[in-house]
Amino acid sequence: QKEVEQDPGPLSVPEGAIVSLNCTYSNSAFQYFMWYRQYSRKGPELLMYTYSSGNKEDGRFTAQVDKSSKYISLFIRDSQPSDSATYLCAARTQGGSEKLVFGKGTKLTVNP
Amino acid sequence: EAGVTQFPSHSVIEKGQTVTLRCDPISGHDNLYWYRRVMGKEIKFLLHFVKESKQDESGMPNNRFLAERTGGTYSTLKVQPAELEDSGVYFCASSQRLAGGNEQFFGPGTRLTVL
Repeated sequence: QKEVEQDPGPLSVPEGAIVSLNCTYSNSAFQYFMWYRQYSRKGPELLMYTYSSGNKEDGRFTAQVDKSSKYISLFIRDSQPSDSATYLCAARTQGGSEKLVFGKGTKLTVNP
Repeated sequence: EAGVTQFPSHSVIEKGQTVTLRCDPISGHDNLYWYRRVMGKEIKFLLHFVKESKQDESGMPNNRFLAERTGGTYSTLKVQPAELEDSGVYFCASSQRLAGGNEQFFGPGTRLTVL
């Protein structure tokens, strides 16, 4: 079983839709959770960074972590064509190795 | 502030040749990481430097891969000799040395093709 599972999609939505992206993980030692956005032929860009369970909001983006169910979510409100990209979830433990463990990424297209 | 830079952006070599990838982290970032994405797979960790020291090299696939970070500034990743399965995108990331968590900032990647 992979440590972080993510449905690769693709996901296609109309402009203005609410987008929900999700990951599950198996390592209960994970404490830090990240969402990265990656445009084609570019490097991953950090979008959201959360510690342990809870919600974090930044503009149109909301990240949720539910450690009891080992579930990570990213919500995008009022989606825009410029949000079209691949979204990667990642996690790491606290202390010890600082390596990030990534999901495969979900390719999102927002249609005008 | 300049981000993480990587050179070259793309490299095409033949099996058995040697390739050296370079990464320049964000100025002041003591942590430097190498990751790799093979086609169809997730991004996977290779190793982590703290300044010039290797902190974690658990992800290095085999001894054909050699990473260095002389003087704790830029880093190089050498693949010698390259094999077909080494093809992929190699990412470098850097972060500050902070207590608790630290955010890793990624470079644009080097796309390596081994023919």
